[in-house]
Amino acid sequence: DVKVTQSSRYLVKRTGEKVFLECVQDMDHENMFWYRQDPGLGLRLIYFSYDVKMKEKGDIPEGYSVSREKKERFSLILESASTNQTSMYLCASSLTGDGANVLTFGAGSRLTVL
Amino acid sequence: AQTVTQSQPEMSVQEAETVTLSCTYDTSESDYYLFWYKQPPSRQMILVIRQEAYKQQNATENRFSVNFQKAAKSFSLKISDSQLGDAAMYFCAYRSWVTGNQFYFGTGTSLTVIP
Repeated sequence: DVKVTQSSRYLVKRTGEKVFLECVQDMDHENMFWYRQDPGLGLRLIYFSYDVKMKEKGDIPEGYSVSREKKERFSLILESASTNQTSMYLCASSLTGDGANVLTFGAGSRLTVL
Repeated sequence: AQTVTQSQPEMSVQEAETVTLSCTYDTSESDYYLFWYKQPPSRQMILVIRQEAYKQQNATENRFSVNFQKAAKSFSLKISDSQLGDAAMYFCAYRSWVTGNQFYFGTGTSLTVIP
């Protein structure tokens, strides 16, 4: 089975801090995604990457950036964390961009910004 | 952009009974994929079932089945013989056939199973 591993399950950061959320997948998937999950809003796409060093903005990219230097690793960066970025962050991957391929999710990272 | 609507924020079902979760979507595309994902409390999101829009036959996976009505743009999930382990948040999702990089998710339905 594909494994998508998010390095931190729970993080507490201060306003203005730089935050790194790391995600690693072990099955050579081309596509990787970062979602934000908030109650009543479902999952909203922040960024996705379809290849190394390639990225595209999703629906809510403001305040976030990403990095994909290696195929298996996709990092989400909050340059200057704010309280409205307190949320659950989900990383996911899929084999290719073919619509038939399903998403495989990590366990999530719950970020609290004080 | 496509939109996915789950109009039931919360549902409950007695153990061993059947429950249906609703999902509608809006698209101008003719070919696409639809998914139901399950997120148990404090656990990883997992795929429940997938439906290809070009297939008329409704997908089934053990106790889980869908009612796919393409003309009505409706994609409901039926859970038969509900079990305590079915308690979770359920998300409906849409993925384009052509531009498959983007998944569109509904807001979720929280399912409670009553013993």
